[in-house]
Amino acid sequence: AQRVTQPEKLLSVFKGAPVELKCNYSYSGSPELFWYVQYSRQRLQLLLRHISRESIKGFTADLNKGETSFHLKKPFAQEEDSAMYYCAPNQAGTALIFGKGTTLSVSS
Amino acid sequence: GAVVSQHPSWVICKSGTSVKIECRSLDFQATTMFWYRQFPKQSLMLMATSNEGSKATYEQGVEKDKFLINHASLTLSTLTVTSAHPEDSSFYICSASPPRRSEKLFFGSGTQLSVL
Repeated sequence: AQRVTQPEKLLSVFKGAPVELKCNYSYSGSPELFWYVQYSRQRLQLLLRHISRESIKGFTADLNKGETSFHLKKPFAQEEDSAMYYCAPNQAGTALIFGKGTTLSVSS
Repeated sequence: GAVVSQHPSWVICKSGTSVKIECRSLDFQATTMFWYRQFPKQSLMLMATSNEGSKATYEQGVEKDKFLINHASLTLSTLTVTSAHPEDSSFYICSASPPRRSEKLFFGSGTQLSVL
C-alpha cells in the first residue's frame, strides 16, 4: 500500500536554527518524491522534487532509497519559512498522496 | 508556469442544496484532474480522479452519488456536492497535470464550502 509518514505534526524552531522535516514513504515502483508547501491563506505550491536536485529557498532534500526517506532540510530557518509542509510520492499521471503534513513554526 | 483556476473560492449554502465547484486548466490541456478535500489543520485527502470523457474514479469511502464529478472537456472539471450537509463543510482543492510525463501537479486555490 502507498503510505507517507511525516512523524512530526509540529516543529518549532528559532530563527537561524537548522531544520529537518522528516518524511518516510512506502510506495510500489519507483516514485518521484515531492515536497509541497502551503503558506497561510495561500494555495499549495511545489517546493522541490528529488529528480531536480535543486535548492529552493535554501531547502534541500535527499532521497534515500535504502531508508525510503526524503527528509527536508534547511541549515538556517527564517521566519518566512513558517508554513505547512507536505511530503508526497508520485508516479506520472497519478494523484499525489500526501502525508499528514508538518507545521513549521519559526520564531525570533 | 501552468495555472489552474478554481471557482468559487468561497461558498455558503443551506443544508439540502447542491453546490458546483469548477476547476479549469488555463494554459494546458488536462486529461486528468484530481479532487482533494482538506479539513482544518489536516492534510489533503484525495477524493477522486477525474478523467476527461469518462467516469471519475473515486477513492474508498467517498460517495460518488454525493460528490458528482464531470470532466466534459480537456480544460474543465466540475465537482458538485449534492444535497449538502454541514459535515460536507470543508476546503476542496483541485489539481491538474500537463500531459507530459514527469510534469508536476498544479493546484487550484481551493474552495471553502460552508453548509449551514
